[in-house]
Amino acid sequence: KNEVEQSPQNLTAQEGEFITINCSYSVGISALHWLQQHPGGGIVSLFMLSSGKKKHGRLIATINIQEKHSSLHITASHPRDSAVYICAVIPRHGQNFVFGPGTRLSVLP
Amino acid sequence: EAGVTQFPSHSVIEKGQTVTLRCDPISGHDNLYWYRRVMGKEIKFLLHFVKESKQDESGMPNNRFLAERTGGTYSTLKVQPAELEDSGVYFCASSQYGSARADTGELFFGEGSRLTVL
Repeated sequence: KNEVEQSPQNLTAQEGEFITINCSYSVGISALHWLQQHPGGGIVSLFMLSSGKKKHGRLIATINIQEKHSSLHITASHPRDSAVYICAVIPRHGQNFVFGPGTRLSVLP
Repeated sequence: EAGVTQFPSHSVIEKGQTVTLRCDPISGHDNLYWYRRVMGKEIKFLLHFVKESKQDESGMPNNRFLAERTGGTYSTLKVQPAELEDSGVYFCASSQYGSARADTGELFFGEGSRLTVL
């Protein structure tokens, strides 16, 4: 069992829909990152969280440390949001990322 | 400011050959990381440099993989001899303070080098 799980594995939405991607992890962490990998392959860091909530444009990320859970929300989704979204954590007693399997999002026009 | 750059973007080689991947981190970033994503699996950590020193190489799969960062600037990852299971996308990332620091540990990723071993 992977230390970082994501759901759903695949998600297809219509343009304009509100999207939620979930991440749960089994270890104590010092930080959690949400990453975006576009079809071309490059990875972009969207958020880094250790508590609470962060917002950037149409993207919102939340984390509940006690429940070991984080969510990434996309409001008013757009086809250009289509990508693989990856949750990655830094274990509290480690220095390096443990990655989730990713959620493949397709937003249809 | 230039981001993290990786070269080549795609390499196709035959089993048994050698390939060298290169990563140029963001200037001034002491921390450099190599990751790998093989088909259908999650991204896995390979190793971490702080300047020219290997801080953690626990993710290196075997001794066919050799990473260097001479002078603490760019890094190379050599696979010799390459095997079929080495196919995947190799990502490099850099950060200024190290990814474990939640307040300043933002990672900047390269576009990745896709390796195909036939």
